[in-house]
Amino acid sequence: DSGVTQTPKHLITATGQRVTLRCSPRSGDLSVYWYQQSLDQGLQFLIQYYNGEERAKGNILERFSAQQFPDLHSELNLSSLELGDSALYFCASSDLRGDTQYFGPGTRLTVL
Amino acid sequence: AQSVTQPDIHITVSEGASLELRCNYSYGATPYLFWYVQSPGQGLQLLLKYFSGDTLVQGIKGFEAEFKRSQSSFNLRKPSVHWSDAAEYFCAVGGGFNDYKLSFGAGTTVTVRA
Repeated sequence: DSGVTQTPKHLITATGQRVTLRCSPRSGDLSVYWYQQSLDQGLQFLIQYYNGEERAKGNILERFSAQQFPDLHSELNLSSLELGDSALYFCASSDLRGDTQYFGPGTRLTVL
Repeated sequence: AQSVTQPDIHITVSEGASLELRCNYSYGATPYLFWYVQSPGQGLQLLLKYFSGDTLVQGIKGFEAEFKRSQSSFNLRKPSVHWSDAAEYFCAVGGGFNDYKLSFGAGTTVTVRA
């Protein structure tokens, strides 16, 4: 158990809908990262937040957004969902030094 | 741009035999290198990491990896594989200071036969 929690574990929804994925980092970790794992793209970095502020952005679609709250939990919002958004979404956190990321169990999103 | 290549998509190994998974990276500066393992239906677990110093690093579950700068490689090894090692293994590279996002390889699936 890495100490990173993600909810929900599974999510099934329809095209065009909007969902929110939640992540709680390890106690004391200030950085949160979001990754998407899909069969065709593999594991891809989406976005990083550090202590509430966006720090780095990767291959994140404009339909996707994220934020980190004062209690350091983070949410990834996915809107206007398409079939191709079906994937496993991972959250990771790292401490102040930032050099090692610890991953949560992931949220499996299925868009029908 | 940073990138990782894992040349082997799938490896089958007998229980008790040795295992080596290959990883080649591309990064402009000194890389931070990682191996993660993903068991079916599970998240990513950190096996080991290399930042600097001794080029042979030890990790959990009896795994080790060797950093070879001249070959841009960071291969993962285990002397004797157990059935529980069946999983998907990912090599990743990060930039370190101020560039912590990870780039992952496509992964190598390891099957262990009795």
